[in-house]
Amino acid sequence: KQEVTQIPAALSVPEGENLVLNCSFTDSAIYNLQWFRQDPGKGLTSLLLIQSSQREQTSGRLNASLDKSSGRSTLYIAASQPGDSATYLCALTGTYGQNFVFGPGTRLSVLP
Amino acid sequence: NAGVTQTPKFQVLKTGQSMTLQCAQDMNHNSMYWYRQDPGMGLRLIYYSASEGTTDKGEVPNGYNVSRLNKREFSLRLESAAPSQTSVYFCASSWEGLYNEQFFGPGTRLTVL
Repeated sequence: KQEVTQIPAALSVPEGENLVLNCSFTDSAIYNLQWFRQDPGKGLTSLLLIQSSQREQTSGRLNASLDKSSGRSTLYIAASQPGDSATYLCALTGTYGQNFVFGPGTRLSVLP
Repeated sequence: NAGVTQTPKFQVLKTGQSMTLQCAQDMNHNSMYWYRQDPGMGLRLIYYSASEGTTDKGEVPNGYNVSRLNKREFSLRLESAAPSQTSVYFCASSWEGLYNEQFFGPGTRLTVL
């Protein structure tokens, strides 16, 4: 059974820092991986989707990479801002269409 | 373009009561999903509908029923609510199944007393 972990569970950084969030998975037979942000009391906002054939995707200050062989994805946030404070979740789909499996999330606080 | 909308936003039920959570999307997506989010358990799939007229069980379907009313709407029904169903419920949609980018609604916060 696919298991997804995200470390650290929480992270505080000063404004302006570059940071990396990690997502690890146990089964490398994935079809795609999606990163979301969730603000307190709100729904999930899609940030980036990486197909299994891709190594990375970029959107603005965000860059997500995927290394299936090592079972890892990272989300890089450049020049962090207080508005980036949220919980970041990764989720992935298996090659054989298994259910979308979510990680527990990393709660990010960017301090002014 | 509202994306994915859910009603109600909040609901309190007594054990044994029934209710239906509504979800609608205006992105012409084929697939729709219902998730629940619980502290320490993350998000788990309850049911999904790959296309209009089809529904399938997810990871935690017990105690729930769903109806794909048309391409836009997908409802989740609790026939006899239990305290274990206290949770935040999210609806999502995508173009074609689990292989595509999913878009989420704002959620329904349900408390069962």
